[in-house]
Amino acid sequence: AQKVTQAQTEISVVEKEDVTLDCVYETRDTTYYLFWYKQPPSGELVFLIRRNSFDEQNEISGRYSWNFQKSTSSFNFTITASQVVDSAVYFCALSEDTSGTYKYIFGTGTRLKVLA
Amino acid sequence: KAGVTQTPRYLIKTRGQQVTLSCSPISGHRSVSWYQQTPGQGLQFLFEYFSETQRNKGNFPGRFSGRQFSNSRSEMNVSTLELGDSALYLCASSLAPGSGVEQFFGPGTRLTVL
Repeated sequence: AQKVTQAQTEISVVEKEDVTLDCVYETRDTTYYLFWYKQPPSGELVFLIRRNSFDEQNEISGRYSWNFQKSTSSFNFTITASQVVDSAVYFCALSEDTSGTYKYIFGTGTRLKVLA
Repeated sequence: KAGVTQTPRYLIKTRGQQVTLSCSPISGHRSVSWYQQTPGQGLQFLFEYFSETQRNKGNFPGRFSGRQFSNSRSEMNVSTLELGDSALYLCASSLAPGSGVEQFFGPGTRLTVL
């Protein structure tokens, strides 16, 4: 069965600190997709990244970077030099395609507070 | 390009009533998904519509239903409301269905059931 675990419920950091948000997933499929979304106080989820199961290359986008490790079933997200605007709830999600049907499974989210 | 819009933004209902929520996807997007977000259960997938057909469904009771119109706009209906239905209902649109597609979310409709 699919499962996404975000063990960190809430993290507080001081501005300019680096922070890593953990995501551990469970799936039986060999083909699946992993996502990160940001949910600011306005409520609208914002897409950050998508990674398919065959692409283990890490990715960097500005201050954001993602570390995908199939060996540990993890897809961690690091924000370098955090800023107050990074304060939000971050969700990791998993989607797999089983016999033509699929569902997105979201983790419970990690609330990040960046203090000035 | 306008984003995903959801109406109404806030709604207060009482137990036993029914409610209809509306979602207009991004222009050109033909797939619409609905999610329920609660503090206890997190984000849970309700269903997905594409070309006016329900393609995918989560584990919710039959009180939760939806439909999609020919212009890709979608509505979600919840009948016989229960207190536990209080939640933020999010709609997401994508160009097409698929497990790896990028979804664009609307601001949500916050439903309170008294």
